[in-house]
Amino acid sequence: DIQMTQSPSSLSASVGDRVTITCRASQNINNYLNWYQQKPGKAPKLLISAASTLQSGVPSRFSGSGSGTDFTLTISSLQPEDFATYYCQQTYSTLRTFGHGTKVEIK
Amino acid sequence: EVQLVESGGGLVKPGGSLRLSCATSGLAFRYYTMNWVRQAPGKGLEWVSSISDSGHHIYYADSVKGRFTISRDNANNSLYLQMNSLRAEDTAVYYCAREIGGSSSDYWGQGTLVTVSS
Repeated sequence: DIQMTQSPSSLSASVGDRVTITCRASQNINNYLNWYQQKPGKAPKLLISAASTLQSGVPSRFSGSGSGTDFTLTISSLQPEDFATYYCQQTYSTLRTFGHGTKVEIK
Repeated sequence: EVQLVESGGGLVKPGGSLRLSCATSGLAFRYYTMNWVRQAPGKGLEWVSSISDSGHHIYYADSVKGRFTISRDNANNSLYLQMNSLRAEDTAVYYCAREIGGSSSDYWGQGTLVTVSS
């Protein structure tokens, strides 16, 4: 199975900060990488597909980059509603796998 | 309006069985791969199983292979997960989700809680 390693596992940041989360795949996954946001008690929400394609309705402060094994989710200016847990997911393999998540907390 | 509504969760003893359902509307169910994803209490997301639009292509995570069976009824826009030989580690909220473009899950249900305990 393809392993997805996210870092950091958690971070504290202030409103207005630039936040970067990284995700590394255990093998080449081209750009088959998605990013999800999850808030407590809610279902995940798709933010970015194919490594860098922003979903309709998702604020432009979110962006994704990378290809191959290394990927990044960036929030350019953190807003109060962005405090949540973020997950990467690879869909290169038919056995889809998620990263362990990054919890973004208020500093 | 798109809706995915999971049901069938509950408390079951180790070794027992449950059948989860996911009733959908508004998302052209028959044309898309569907997934089950679970989340143990306080833990991260774990992909469980996928079924292609036709039902011909089915995949399982190693953790459930041989115990869980995914199926679908395109006539009734419904997805199912038959779970047998349940273990304590299967305790989780189970979500159904539509997969688009063969890769990302854009619509999710609200989840149904399965608790495996004696």
